[in-house]
Amino acid sequence: GAVVSQHPSWVICKSGTSVKIECRSLDFQATTMFWYRQFPKQSLMLMATSNEGSKATYEQGVEKDKFLINHASLTLSTLTVTSAHPEDSSFYICSAPEAGLTYNEQFFGPGTRLTVL
Amino acid sequence: GQNIDQPTEMTATEGAIVQINCTYQTSGFNGLFWYQQHAGEAPTFLSYNVLDGLEEKGRFSSFLSRSKGYSYLLLKELQMKDSASYLCAVLDSNYQLIWGAGTKLIIKP
Repeated sequence: GAVVSQHPSWVICKSGTSVKIECRSLDFQATTMFWYRQFPKQSLMLMATSNEGSKATYEQGVEKDKFLINHASLTLSTLTVTSAHPEDSSFYICSAPEAGLTYNEQFFGPGTRLTVL
Repeated sequence: GQNIDQPTEMTATEGAIVQINCTYQTSGFNGLFWYQQHAGEAPTFLSYNVLDGLEEKGRFSSFLSRSKGYSYLLLKELQMKDSASYLCAVLDSNYQLIWGAGTKLIIKP
């Protein structure tokens, strides 16, 4: 099956700093990637849809100036958490649907655990 | 609004059978997914249903009734490694996944 990687797996940073998370589709091209956030014991919450070559689409309540998304190529999308605060500490997961199938199954990256001190 | 309901937590015994239910109300329907998620890990795909009926895949089966807005995931011959959260998700008319909150399954020896 298709493989999606994320880097880093975990990161600890100081409040006020910025953190960049990379999401790569390793063996397929992804024109669309999804960024999710998951707090402990809660389900996935879609933050934004990343579109290759165009602006990302953000879900209601997600600050686009705080969570910068760049989808510069068909295999890479990045999420930058700017001026991180402790409440941004969460598990961030990206996923990408593999085009060409009869249904849009999403393949998930392994996730990035962000801890803001 | 869009809504997906599934039980918060279930407990079952090793070797037994458990059924996890999911009901949904969404704007359009392009299929229903079940994912397994172990603590601290990303979800992994289990099944996809778009037509009514039962799909069997080894120890896991998934059922769908579109008219009732209902699905269930059936796990047979439970093993300790099946302890995880099981997420129900529906692909809506915009091909966006709408997620349930997940069911935490606890397997006891």
